[in-house]
Amino acid sequence: DADVTQTPRNRITKTGKRIMLECSQTKGHDRMYWYRQDPGLGLRLIYYSFDVKDINKGEISDGYSVSRQAQAKFSLSLESAIPNQTALYFCATSDLRDGVYNEQFFGPGTRLTVL
Amino acid sequence: DAKTTQPNSMESNEEEPVHLPCNHSTISGTDYIHWYRQLPSQGPEYVIHGLTSNVNNRMASLAIAEDRKSSTLILHRATLRDAAVYYCILREPSGGGADGLTFGKGTHLIIQP
Repeated sequence: DADVTQTPRNRITKTGKRIMLECSQTKGHDRMYWYRQDPGLGLRLIYYSFDVKDINKGEISDGYSVSRQAQAKFSLSLESAIPNQTALYFCATSDLRDGVYNEQFFGPGTRLTVL
Repeated sequence: DAKTTQPNSMESNEEEPVHLPCNHSTISGTDYIHWYRQLPSQGPEYVIHGLTSNVNNRMASLAIAEDRKSSTLILHRATLRDAAVYYCILREPSGGGADGLTFGKGTHLIIQP
């Protein structure tokens, strides 16, 4: 089984609809992240969470909200989806090892299309 | 955040070594150099990281210039499965402050059979 899972994998919705993307991890990591990727570009950070009680905005948080329901679950919501939020969304996790946060582990992505 | 510069694309032949360059002239003394790759239709995958010394793992080697202003990811014997976009990323060790990875456009590596 995959360590970082995302649901749904694909979603088509209409402008104005509320959408929730979910991420679960079995790695036991404390840090979780949401990124967005547009065609031909690298990933950009939307939100990140150090633990259940700590949520932080990333580079492009406007129009998004998140919820860290448990250490293993981190959800991304689009309260009122708009077409320019059409993108590929990735969840990631990381953990402390030897006092350093090292690699991030990414989920398979959710392809979201807003019509 | 310190910025990295990579070629847009590179092409190599299967079973030959590949050297992917990255320039990071504004790197700070505590920034680690990370490399990730993204295969088609997949999420990014960690490849390797280092601080000052050259590093080797089962996937690749990382050669870091003595002044740390550049680095090179080395795939010793490329296969078709290595065709991907490779990202060179600088990251603070604690991940404090605005945590997360800053991705550029990366290098699109094409492997010819």
